[in-house]
Amino acid sequence: GQNIDQPTEMTATEGAIVQINCTYQTSGFNGLFWYQQHAGEAPTFLSYNVLDGLEEKGRFSSFLSRSKGYSYLLLKELQMKDSASYLCAVSPGYSSASKIIFGSGTRLSIRP
Amino acid sequence: GAVVSQHPSWVICKSGTSVKIECRSLDFQATTMFWYRQFPKQSLMLMATSNEGSKATYEQGVEKDKFLINHASLTLSTLTVTSAHPEDSSFYICSARVAGDFPGELFFGEGSRLTVL
Repeated sequence: GQNIDQPTEMTATEGAIVQINCTYQTSGFNGLFWYQQHAGEAPTFLSYNVLDGLEEKGRFSSFLSRSKGYSYLLLKELQMKDSASYLCAVSPGYSSASKIIFGSGTRLSIRP
Repeated sequence: GAVVSQHPSWVICKSGTSVKIECRSLDFQATTMFWYRQFPKQSLMLMATSNEGSKATYEQGVEKDKFLINHASLTLSTLTVTSAHPEDSSFYICSARVAGDFPGELFFGEGSRLTVL
């Protein structure tokens, strides 16, 4: 079966750093995605990792350990607009027709 | 980045009627599109994978006779909710990859919020 776990909710302070963890167990693995979703809107792409290590993109970084089935999304210099749900998703297949499976999402609240 | 357009954004219908939602890739070809459903404060649940020119692949527990999917061209997939009932009220989102781009970013439509009275 396919299983992707991430915390349901997190709270952090404006200007601080927060790390959102994701663990996965899937039948195959061909990359892990992070998406941001504001309430009532469609998800927007944040990052993609297929090799182990850290990928940095501005205030956001994403890490992957394939041997541990583990990833995290690191958000620095938090802003109020970062309040959103963050979705961890895995591509278990090996073709462009392969689906992407989403975790339940982590609702992040930023306080002043 | 690539653009996926979804229409309508909002739809309210009476119980027992059918509703069609369109998903178009505006500036790229998508041999495969994905349909998701999302309830409030929950994550995206994959309903089906829509393949151009062939039958859709439905996830376990999704009724194929209730949620009709048609992918007639490389830029258009439609989801028809037949004989809609209040429990079908939800946020429906389509997504697509650029054909041949693997694993590739998944581009999402704006979503369609369905309310069945």
